[in-house]
Amino acid sequence: NAGVTQTPKFRVLKTGQSMTLLCAQDMNHEYMYWYRQDPGMGLRLIHYSVGEGTTAKGEVPDGYNVSRLKKQNFLLGLESAAPSQTSVYFCASRRTGYLSEAFFGQGTRLTVV
Amino acid sequence: GEDVEQSLFLSVREGDSSVINCTYTDSSSTYLYWYKQEPGAGLQLLTYIFSNMDMKQDQRLTVLLNKKDKHLSLRIADTQTGDSAIYFCAEALRGYQKVTFGIGTKLQVIP
Repeated sequence: NAGVTQTPKFRVLKTGQSMTLLCAQDMNHEYMYWYRQDPGMGLRLIHYSVGEGTTAKGEVPDGYNVSRLKKQNFLLGLESAAPSQTSVYFCASRRTGYLSEAFFGQGTRLTVV
Repeated sequence: GEDVEQSLFLSVREGDSSVINCTYTDSSSTYLYWYKQEPGAGLQLLTYIFSNMDMKQDQRLTVLLNKKDKHLSLRIADTQTGDSAIYFCAEALRGYQKVTFGIGTKLQVIP
């Protein structure tokens, strides 16, 4: 029972490089989210998706793009990484409905040098 | 507004009660949640409360909701070292599609 799986777990990028973070869930959840966690800032929503083929902006979308081509996967892309994007990234998924628990992945620690 | 506010840090002695507080600004919130994050891990749901309730108790956890003041608290009775973690309050907004989290309160339990 995998739940929410994020890959990779750690990554170091040079400024200007690009990369894609993958989130996969096996619970058939409609909603998926990407958050970043920074000291003193808590969790901030980057982008989210309410279903296959749909995406929406969160609080801090600049510098990121996302895609939800398959229901089980939610990809977060950084086209040109900046040091300000050094953070821990969490993916989460939920089923529809107001009383549905968000299930989180283990996080991806990204450092941009 | 969608702001959820929490204090950053709380330190308690093992066996004492811990009280973690949260304020929110969106009066349309229907469900409010408490999540726990242990070191190096993602968040896990601890408990939740529906906005028409004042209190919910679940073993050592008590959630109090003051809807008039938009104040939510989590009380942990007989706090143990295993309770050391970051605690986030959260609310589901906009048709319950988005989940907004507070900044998290780091609970340190001193043996």
